[in-house]
Amino acid sequence: DAGVIQSPRHEVTEMGQEVTLRCKPISGHNSLFWYRQTMMRGLELLIYFNNNVPIDDSGMPEDRFSAKMPNASFSTLKIQPSEPRDSAVYFCASRTGNNSPLHFGNGTRLTVT
Amino acid sequence: SQQGEEDPQALSIQEGENATMNCSYKTSINNLQWYRQNSGRGLVHLILIRSNEREKHSGRLRVTLDTSKKSSSLLITASRAADTASYFCATVLTGTASKLTFGTGTRLQVTL
Repeated sequence: DAGVIQSPRHEVTEMGQEVTLRCKPISGHNSLFWYRQTMMRGLELLIYFNNNVPIDDSGMPEDRFSAKMPNASFSTLKIQPSEPRDSAVYFCASRTGNNSPLHFGNGTRLTVT
Repeated sequence: SQQGEEDPQALSIQEGENATMNCSYKTSINNLQWYRQNSGRGLVHLILIRSNEREKHSGRLRVTLDTSKKSSSLLITASRAADTASYFCATVLTGTASKLTFGTGTRLQVTL
């Protein structure tokens, strides 16, 4: 079991550029979550999917953020255009069912200059 | 906004001592979970306690839940330097079977 795989591990980009973060959940898991972690705001839930369908995207900061899950083994979080305040660590996590624990990837550290 | 608030924000103890962290939440829950995060890594699940349970154990970990006070505690007994990490509580609110919201975390430092 390779766990949740996120790429890239680090991303440095200039303001205004498009950023795409990728996530491969654990095989057989049917829920996928995207979180953002900063010192100021802690862990914020951005969006989550059940069976590839977005259930709650109320945490997505604004229209610059979008997330997709085209199939059960892949999800992307896109920021376009990026801004310095988007700098954070972005985590993807997956689980098998509503009362089961989340399994986290090691995150993508995004720096927008 | 944060559903859970951990207390204390930071805790420093010596190896061998017990560490207690508390979590308070605001609305009724289906379950409460504790996670650990080492620096630069993702969170790792430690223990889940359901709303109808009062206490659970896992190795050196003991979790209690008091739904009347909307609070939970995590006790780590006989701490080790390797327990140094941040610890988070997370709640699944009643009526939102999927959504898991994290608290602010407690940074635990265990010194030799």
